[in-house]
This record gives sequence, C-alpha cells and structure tokens, in this order.
Amino acid sequence: DVKVTQSSRYLVKRTGEKVFLECVQDMDHENMFWYRQDPGLGLRLIYFSYDVKMKEKGDIPEGYSVSREKKERFSLILESASTNQTSMYLCASSLVRGFSQPQHFGDGTRLSIL
Amino acid sequence: ILNVEQSPQSLHVQEGDSTNFTCSFPSSNFYALHWYRWETAKSPEALFVMTLNGDEKKKGRISATLNTKEGYSYLYIKGSQPEDSATYLCAFPLGPIGAGKSTFGDGTTLTVKP
Repeated sequence: DVKVTQSSRYLVKRTGEKVFLECVQDMDHENMFWYRQDPGLGLRLIYFSYDVKMKEKGDIPEGYSVSREKKERFSLILESASTNQTSMYLCASSLVRGFSQPQHFGDGTRLSIL
Repeated sequence: ILNVEQSPQSLHVQEGDSTNFTCSFPSSNFYALHWYRWETAKSPEALFVMTLNGDEKKKGRISATLNTKEGYSYLYIKGSQPEDSATYLCAFPLGPIGAGKSTFGDGTTLTVKP
C-alpha cells in the first residue's frame, strides 16, 4: 500500500514564524500536491510538483513556497506565518502524469497560527 | 477554473436508509472522474476511478455511475450504516494539460444515525 506520511498531525506556531510542513511518500510517485482544507471551501490546491525540482502554483499559492529536492519528499513552507493560514493541510501523491491514477493522501496536519 | 459541483452539501439519514448524491462536472474534455471517501481523523481514500460513459462501479454497498455526455456521476449507498458517515469527494482530473492535477468538488458530508 502507498504510504504518504506528513511530519506532524498537529502544529502550533506564532505569527511571523517560518513554518515547514514535510511530506514523504514511499511509492516512487512522480506527482506530489499540497492542499488546504477549510470549512465550506473544500480542498484547494496550493502547489503541485510533477518531478524533482519542478513546481507549479495551484489556486492559492500566495504566502507559501515549496521544495522538492528528492522525489519522495515535498515540503510546504510558510515564509512568514499569518493567522489566516490556520487550516488543515493535506499532502497527496499520484503515480504518473496522467488522469487515471487517483491521488493518495496523508493524514493531514492541523496547523494553528497564534 | 473548472467547476465541479456536489450536491447536497450534507445529508443526514437513518441506519438502513439508502441514499445517493451527485457530482456535476464539465462534459467537454473528459478524462476520468474519481470518488474519494474522507472519514473524520483519517486521510481521504480513493473509492472509484471512472473513465467510460455508462461505467458502473461497485464496492460492497456503495456504487457509482457515470454519464459523461451530460456531465454527472451518482454515488449510491444501499442500506447506510454508521460507518458510512464521511465526506464523499469527487475529483475531475484535468488530463494531459493538467499533468496530474484535479479539480475537487466541495464534498457531500453524510451522517448516518444509528
């Protein structure tokens, strides 16, 4: 089974801090994704990567950056955390650059910015 | 941005009731449709990948149908059980142009009362 592991289930940080959320997948997937999920807003794509060192902005990239130095690891960075970034963050991966493969999700990180 | 709509937003049923909900998507440039189940405190998991018009997929008491010409998919649950309580998401892959990205609906949250 595919395993997508997010480094923390719960995280509390302060406004202005630089925050790193880490995600690791163990199935050699090319695609990796970062989403945030807020009540009533569904899953919104922050950033997407289809290969090492490649990244594309999603629908809501402002205030975030990403890093993919190795195929299995995709990091989300909040450059200067703000209270409106309090949310549930989900990482996902999928097998190929295509449409028939579903995404495999991690358990999520519930991030609170105080 | 493509529009993927799910209805209803939430649903409360009694144990044993059968229920269904809808995912509407653009009927042009169809590649596939994915259904996910997202239980509280767990990660979303893929239920079905549907690719052909007229497809019907089944997993236990849950089944799904697909109409690509009119742009909708139905998810049916027969004899709902409390363990079926979850948010059900549909996702519309953007195909080769989207390089693995999908647009997600906001989900239907099902609560099954014992």
